[in-house]
Amino acid sequence: KAGVTQTPRYLIKTRGQQVTLSCSPISGHRSVSWYQQTPGQGLQFLFEYFSETQRNKGNFPGRFSGRQFSNSRSEMNVSTLELGDSALYLCASSLAGAAQGYEQYFGPGTRLTVT
Amino acid sequence: DAKTTQPPSMDCAEGRAANLPCNHSTISGNEYVYWYRQIHSQGPQYIIHGLKNNETNEMASLIITEDRKSSTLILPHATLRDTAVYYCIVRVASTNKLIFGTGTLLAVQP
Repeated sequence: KAGVTQTPRYLIKTRGQQVTLSCSPISGHRSVSWYQQTPGQGLQFLFEYFSETQRNKGNFPGRFSGRQFSNSRSEMNVSTLELGDSALYLCASSLAGAAQGYEQYFGPGTRLTVT
Repeated sequence: DAKTTQPPSMDCAEGRAANLPCNHSTISGNEYVYWYRQIHSQGPQYIIHGLKNNETNEMASLIITEDRKSSTLILPHATLRDTAVYYCIVRVASTNKLIFGTGTLLAVQP
């Protein structure tokens, strides 16, 4: 079974631009979560989508948004990029709702560099 | 804030068991303990998780104390490829939200 895939793997953008990152979960997984990893702040939760609905949101500004499609694929968008948005963006997918205690599988990440 | 406390680093000799401790004294009754590891610049890799009982899979064993305030991840025969940052995470109840701490850098020595 194919793992979580993220595209693109690497991206360079300029301050003020916007960016869209894509995540394809493992087949059959309905939950997709997004995380930001930086050397200073570590791994931080951005948001989670389940059945096309945002279920949880971390403490990030409104410039960070996401959505999930009916096939469970998810995208996250960052508008008006800042230098501090340079990070590894990771998505993780899970089979179902949290109550069942399913494991979450991470993709390889998208390395975003803002210049 | 992370609900777990881990030592920042540990060493282990190749072929020996690696025992990684984690404290989660404020864990709630319906919160799971998850372990992940991350090799430099890769996505975190799921290892194991548990609620109350000890768990074992092909990668590791998870020992959870009876009061659930701490746990230990055991890698039975560490190899050089097990060198990574290991994260102990308490998953927020009724969500898939994982709050990562700073983890333990495990260095397996030849």
